[in-house]
Amino acid sequence: AQSVTQLDSQVPVFEEAPVELRCNYSSSVSVYLFWYVQYPNQGLQLLLKYLSGSTLVKGINGFEAEFNKSQTSFHLRKPSVHISDTAEYFCAVSEKRAGTALIFGKGTTLSVSS
Amino acid sequence: NAGVTQTPKFRVLKTGQSMTLLCAQDMNHEYMYWYRQDPGMGLRLIHYSVGEGTTAKGEVPDGYNVSRLKKQNFLLGLESAAPSQTSVYFCASSPLAGVGYNEQFFGPGTRLTVL
Repeated sequence: AQSVTQLDSQVPVFEEAPVELRCNYSSSVSVYLFWYVQYPNQGLQLLLKYLSGSTLVKGINGFEAEFNKSQTSFHLRKPSVHISDTAEYFCAVSEKRAGTALIFGKGTTLSVSS
Repeated sequence: NAGVTQTPKFRVLKTGQSMTLLCAQDMNHEYMYWYRQDPGMGLRLIHYSVGEGTTAKGEVPDGYNVSRLKKQNFLLGLESAAPSQTSVYFCASSPLAGVGYNEQFFGPGTRLTVL
């Protein structure tokens, strides 16, 4: 079984500051890793995913994440945030086979202010 | 392509009433899922389907039933709604292989309130 822990429930930052949203996972098997974003009153949109290969993954909207197998982490980063990045961010894992459900963390609310 | 659509967008029920939420996808995906989202809980899997005519239980299946009579549709039913089922419900789909493999595509959600 897998589990996901998002270490911060809320992260307030000022516009143009860097941000890191932390995600740790637990699994007895190899997993795929995902970050989704949910803007207010909308569905979930994929930001980026790690399937294999390079541990640094680049996604949409200037976000990137680094897979660290030894620390079982998949932290999300952006060097300079905008007001429009205000949203809830979910880290998720799945087993490495088709059709398996995603296991989500509880989410981190990123609030960007001017 | 419309992607994943959900009907209705909002609904208010009284305790004990029944209803069906419809999810439709036009991407020819084999796999479909129903999740519920509650504040501070993330998304939790209710039921899922690996193909037409097949369904399976997820993490929180009690009080819900599902059916997948057609590949493109996945229905979630509440036979006797309870206030604990007040939530936002998301449907998702994913392909068997190829582009988007292991990525789930989400619908816009249905906000359900049970009084």
